[in-house]
Amino acid sequence: GNSVTQMEGPVTLSEEAFLTINCTYTATGYPSLFWYVQYPGEGLQLLLKATKADDKGSNKGFEATYRKETTSFHLEKGSVQVSDSAVYFCALSRAGGTSYGKLTFGQGTILTVHP
Amino acid sequence: DTGVSQNPRHKITKRGQNVTFRCDPISEHNRLYWYRQTLGQGPEFLTYFQNEAQLEKSRLLSDRFSAERPKGSFSTLEIQRTEQGDSAMYLCASSSSGGGAYNEQFFGPGTRLTVL
Repeated sequence: GNSVTQMEGPVTLSEEAFLTINCTYTATGYPSLFWYVQYPGEGLQLLLKATKADDKGSNKGFEATYRKETTSFHLEKGSVQVSDSAVYFCALSRAGGTSYGKLTFGQGTILTVHP
Repeated sequence: DTGVSQNPRHKITKRGQNVTFRCDPISEHNRLYWYRQTLGQGPEFLTYFQNEAQLEKSRLLSDRFSAERPKGSFSTLEIQRTEQGDSAMYLCASSSSGGGAYNEQFFGPGTRLTVL
């Protein structure tokens, strides 16, 4: 079946530091890949997506590249801000059949950015 | 349109009681999904509707759980004879189905269920 694995444990950074959150996946076929973000007290929001190999999704200074050869979709940002503190979820979906659009999520990574 | 709404936002119940949650999707969206999220975990898929048809149910959805979307608009999720293990955040999401390999799912704020 499909699965998504994110790096373990919370991430704590100082403002303006470089961020990487690792994500790897297992899926048959060619899934679409996503990063969702959950800010404190708010619902899940789509941060960025990539629908085919070598695509780069980007939004709000965050980037992730769909790497089919390593089955990875790592999230990066060059300079984090306190306002980026949130929980980040990597997810995938597969097209086709009655599973079209169903999302499989990783366990989430808590990011805390200090001033 | 103000997005996906869910009611109630919080529900506390005693073990063995029945509970029902409601989800109102974005009005033009014909796809509706229910997910469950426990503390420290990512959301897990429960069930999916295309219009009023329930097309997929997860094995997580035991026979105590039932979901409906009678007119292809709002949806309800009912849990009968609640157990403490049902305590979780129940999330609803909706999307359109026209065009492209993927249509963004928009999530509601969730209903937090606590079973005592």
